[in-house]
Amino acid sequence: GALVYQYPRRTICKSGTSMRMECQAVGFQATSVAWYRQSPQKTFELIALSTVNSAIKYEQNFTQEKFPISHPNLSFSSMTVLNAYLEDRGLYLCGARDPGGREQYFGPGTRLTVL
Amino acid sequence: AQKVTQTQTSISVMEKTTVTMDCVYETQDSSYFLFWYKQTASGEIVFLIRQDSYKKENATVGHYSLNFQKPKSSIGLIITATQIEDSAVYFCAMREYRGSALGRLHFGAGTQLIVIP
Repeated sequence: GALVYQYPRRTICKSGTSMRMECQAVGFQATSVAWYRQSPQKTFELIALSTVNSAIKYEQNFTQEKFPISHPNLSFSSMTVLNAYLEDRGLYLCGARDPGGREQYFGPGTRLTVL
Repeated sequence: AQKVTQTQTSISVMEKTTVTMDCVYETQDSSYFLFWYKQTASGEIVFLIRQDSYKKENATVGHYSLNFQKPKSSIGLIITATQIEDSAVYFCAMREYRGSALGRLHFGAGTQLIVIP
């Protein structure tokens, strides 16, 4: 079956530092990967959508300079949160989909705490 | 504009009963997909069931089924014979069909389901 792993599951970083999170798809080819952030209030914000070998499309309020994403192959994507501050706290979710699939499968998320 | 609305913040039901969670959506597209996901206490988001807008039959998977009312832009989730482990936050989501690999999900605010033994 389709599985999506994310690493790390939890991370704590000091304000102003950066942290990298990874997303791995197993059992299917993740041609499309979406990164979301879920706030403590449970609302979802789409950060960016990426497709292998295409430009990554960032949503309003999110930039490549702040959230650089790499999607080098059909099973892996990573995102870095640069200069993290309190407002960057939340659960970062990776959702992956294969070209023929309609469902988006999510990883367990990386919970970011900023001190 | 696309929007997904879940008005029920929290629902409590007795174990082994049936529960319905409401969801309405807004879209300009004629083709779209509707999903229900469940988020467990650990934060994990699990795909439950999907309804394609062009299909008239309500989707059913295990003890999950959908009540798709296209004229009302409504996609309710029905869980029959609820179990304790069904306690979670349930999210309704929509994605327009764009014929490409890209396509964002629009999520509702979520409904917390509490199943009481």
